[in-house]
Amino acid sequence: NAGVTQTPKFRVLKTGQSMTLLCAQDMNHEYMYWYRQDPGMGLRLIHYSVGEGTTAKGEVPDGYNVSRLKKQNFLLGLESAAPSQTSVYFCAARKPATYEQYFGPGTRLTVT
Amino acid sequence: AQTVTQSQPEMSVQEAETVTLSCTYDTSESDYYLFWYKQPPSRQMILVIRQEAYKQQNATENRFSVNFQKAAKSFSLKISDSQLGDAAMYFCAYWSAGNMLTFGGGTRLMVKP
Repeated sequence: NAGVTQTPKFRVLKTGQSMTLLCAQDMNHEYMYWYRQDPGMGLRLIHYSVGEGTTAKGEVPDGYNVSRLKKQNFLLGLESAAPSQTSVYFCAARKPATYEQYFGPGTRLTVT
Repeated sequence: AQTVTQSQPEMSVQEAETVTLSCTYDTSESDYYLFWYKQPPSRQMILVIRQEAYKQQNATENRFSVNFQKAAKSFSLKISDSQLGDAAMYFCAYWSAGNMLTFGGGTRLMVKP
């Protein structure tokens, strides 16, 4: 039982390049989230999903897209990376009854 | 929009002693949840403790307990018998029906041997 996993763990991109971050969960939770954490700050919500095939914008959605084609996977895409997107990205899955979120280990992304 | 404020960027405690981390929040809602998360150098976000706003009793998890003051919108975390492994960033977070978990800016806790 791995919980929430994220792929890759580290990535370096050049400005303008694209990439997709993969989040996978084995807990069968309906809700999944993508956050970013900038140095010295708490996490901020990018996008979230309340179930397969549905997504919604969070606090800082610009420059990102997401897809939830399968319940266990939530993908975060950057179509044209910018240095301002240098950050650590966390995925989380939510336990419905208690509103607890379980986080993946994070992906450190650097855009040069 | 809800805001969560942690006024202590850094705190230090001697091993085996007690430390309290502060958190205040701003909301107009009556039903919500509050959380404390720990983030060690490994970056993993670990849930420490949870408090439901409708419960008057303060939550406790082993050496961790909270002081929840709903009227004052205050939610502090007390760590008793501090251990070296408690050294980490601690984040206070607020959740309501809006599907968003709002985090404070964090407090870095250092534990001195």
